[in-house]
Amino acid sequence: QKEVEQDPGPLSVPEGAIVSLNCTYSNSAFQYFMWYRQYSRKGPELLMYTYSSGNKEDGRFTAQVDKSSKYISLFIRDSQPSDSATYLCAMRSGGTSYGKLTFGQGTILTVHP
Amino acid sequence: DGGITQSPKYLFRKEGQNVTLSCEQNLNHDAMYWYRQDPGQGLRLIYYSQIVNDFQKGDIAEGYSVSREKKESFPLTVTSAQKNPTAFYLCASSISTRDTEAFFGQGTRLTVV
Repeated sequence: QKEVEQDPGPLSVPEGAIVSLNCTYSNSAFQYFMWYRQYSRKGPELLMYTYSSGNKEDGRFTAQVDKSSKYISLFIRDSQPSDSATYLCAMRSGGTSYGKLTFGQGTILTVHP
Repeated sequence: DGGITQSPKYLFRKEGQNVTLSCEQNLNHDAMYWYRQDPGQGLRLIYYSQIVNDFQKGDIAEGYSVSREKKESFPLTVTSAQKNPTAFYLCASSISTRDTEAFFGQGTRLTVV
């Protein structure tokens, strides 16, 4: 079993839809949770970052972390064609020592006009 | 503009040849990383460096080598010992290995012919 599981999709939605992307994980030591967006043939860029449980909102994007269920989500409201990309969840443990980022497989999202 | 530059964008190699991928950053970051990305597998860590003249193996270091002689540069050599080298290679950096936010380069697509 992989430490981080992410449905690879692909996911196809019409413009304006609400998109829900999810990851589950098995390592209870993970405390930092991130979502990266990766356009085709480009490097990933950090979209959202959350520490421990809770919600974080940034414009049309909301990140949720439920540590009790080992489940994180990214919601995209009013989705746009420019949101079409691969979305990668990533997480790492806390503490002062080096904590490797562990990535999910990525979900391919297409938003149709 | 500060950022991470990977070159070349596309690289072709014959079987049995070593090849070196370049990664340069002008963000004044201490930590640098190399990841490999294959379809449906997310990002896997090859090597990382916390500081100049220091580097550590990641999860899939076999068949790869690195050096960190300058803070700005972290080249990756894919040796002939790497059994399946065709992949998308991503370089990243962060302020330190304890820092959560990693900035990625645009990647190098390596194809063995």
